[in-house]
Amino acid sequence: GIQVEQSPPDLILQEGANSTLRCNFSDSVNNLQWFHQNPWGQLINLFYIPSGTKQNGRLSATTVATERYSLLYISSSQTTDSGVYFCAVEQASGTYKYIFGTGTRLKVLA
Amino acid sequence: DGGITQSPKYLFRKEGQNVTLSCEQNLNHDAMYWYRQDPGQGLRLIYYSQIVNDFQKGDIAEGYSVSREKKESFPLTVTSAQKNPTAFYLCASSISAYTDTQYFGPGTRLTVL
Repeated sequence: GIQVEQSPPDLILQEGANSTLRCNFSDSVNNLQWFHQNPWGQLINLFYIPSGTKQNGRLSATTVATERYSLLYISSSQTTDSGVYFCAVEQASGTYKYIFGTGTRLKVLA
Repeated sequence: DGGITQSPKYLFRKEGQNVTLSCEQNLNHDAMYWYRQDPGQGLRLIYYSQIVNDFQKGDIAEGYSVSREKKESFPLTVTSAQKNPTAFYLCASSISAYTDTQYFGPGTRLTVL
């Protein structure tokens, strides 16, 4: 099956810093989503981005499907950005199932 | 308020007992999903349902069962056959299985004593 790798596994930032999180996948995908899981376990969808670039406030994401990777950019980080960021992909074979990466654990220090 | 609710938030079970986790959504979504998350890990798909009265096994369905008798409800039963059931269980829904954004409930933490 498709493999989804995220890097870095852990990241510590000072408030105000910028960061880039990466998601690599081993096969063609139909869909890709980025999620943020807060310290209480709630997952929030950040982007649905099978290709191209999207921006939402301080966050933006780019997926280059032909090269099998996606990037999540966080600018001017805040302590509330702390948590785990997951990317999830649906394989292009149309399984309607998402495979999650193991996540990037982000801690933003005040 | 539209959204997904899961209950209970915390659940304790004795070994050998079956337990049912509730998931309800009022978003009028056709598709619903159950995931399991172990500490420090990503989510793994247990079961999913594209439409009422239909569901498919995910990657780790052994020891679990589901039903989808109503559009808004997708309960998950953790049976005694599940060898290591202690985990965080998350329910999600999307407009349809063919599209896009998945919305998640707050989760249920199950602990087997």
